[in-house]
This record gives sequence, C-alpha cells and structure tokens, in this order.
Amino acid sequence: DTEVTQTPKHLVMGMTNKKSLKCEQHMGHRAMYWYKQKAKKPPELMFVYSYEKLSINESVPSRFSPECPNSSLLNLHLHALQPEDSALYLCASSQTPGVAGGRETQYFGPGTRLLVL
Amino acid sequence: DQQVKQNSPSLSVQEGRISILNCDYTNSMFDYFLWYKKYPAEGPTFLISISSIKDKNEDGRFTVFLNKSAKHLSLHIVPSQPGDSAVYFCAASGYTGGFKTIFGAGTRLFVKA
Repeated sequence: DTEVTQTPKHLVMGMTNKKSLKCEQHMGHRAMYWYKQKAKKPPELMFVYSYEKLSINESVPSRFSPECPNSSLLNLHLHALQPEDSALYLCASSQTPGVAGGRETQYFGPGTRLLVL
Repeated sequence: DQQVKQNSPSLSVQEGRISILNCDYTNSMFDYFLWYKKYPAEGPTFLISISSIKDKNEDGRFTVFLNKSAKHLSLHIVPSQPGDSAVYFCAASGYTGGFKTIFGAGTRLFVKA
C-alpha cells in the first residue's frame, strides 16, 4: 500500500469556522508533511513531523494548527482563516525523517482544495 | 527568493520526440534532486531522482542530468508519449535549517499525438 489519503477532497469554509483536514498513510513512514499550493505555484512546505514530533514550522500563522496523533495520522486544524488561505493543501509522507539530508522520496496525497469565503 | 527555478512554464513536444525540462537551483546545500509529475486533481508522484555525487541517472525513458558547477539539472524523456502530458516539478532536498525539500514552480508538458 503506497497510498496517502486525504479528507475531505474539497472544503468551503467561512472566516469564523473551525475545520480540520485529515491525512493518513499505512506505509510505516515516520515523517509526514503539510504543503500549501496556490494556482501555478510550487508546493510550499508548512510543517514537518518526524517521529510524531513537530520538527519544522515554516513560520506558518497560528490559525493553522497541525497535529500528529500517531504515526499514521496527520491533521491540520483550521480556525479564523482568511480568503488568501484558499489553496490546495497537500499531505506527504516519507520513510525516514531525513537525518542525513533528505534523500527520501515523498509520497503525496491528492490534496484538499480549500476555499475560504 | 526562489531557490529552485523552472523558467519554462510550458513545453510542447511531438509524440516520439525528446522532451527536455530544465531546472536551476541556487543553494549549494542541496544534495539530492527529484522530479515529480502531477496530473490534474492528483498529488505529485515521484518520477526519478539523483544524488549530488552523480551526474546522470536513468530509468527507462527518463534520464536526469545534474551539472553541479552550473547548479542545473534537466529531465529528458525519450520517446515522449501523450500520457506524459502533465506538470513536472523539479525539487531539491537537503539541510537548509532543517531537512527540507523545495519545489520549483513546475513546467506543463504537452505531448501532441
């Protein structure tokens, strides 16, 4: 099983809503990532979890709150988002946390397309 | 500041011919480079990679070339097929304040039948 699943596929939310994005993998990977991708732009790294601990936070606003409850699950909690946060949110996982410099191939989910009104 | 650049937003190639996608990087701390392919409504999928200790890696129709002195890599697809039509992202990986993978903006490849 080389699949990373993400739910929901699409999400529309108002600026006062609280919602969560979910990501799951059963490949035994111990590194998981959240990326944000705007149209015609590259995926931009938001967070990296390594062995269920947050190892990188790319100065993401606090209205985005990641959570890694176990080695298979990764959540992204959303609260008080802005319209400019509308984007495709991609989850990825890789086999090892890149101790030696990041040689691991990342497996991506299909993404959650988020629209903030 | 874009650390990984793909200067061609799109490329159109005839079926059976060679497709060459280019990528430049600026940070010499990158030591591993990857190409991902993305179809609409799907996440990027890994295609091929190369370590900085090599200058070429081949996998079937796909070959990646790395020129470290020029901080340049390229992906060659020979022969190109209509099913290769997708967006191709170049990515560079390494320790830059923690392990990170930085993506280029992507090149959309059209392979005409």
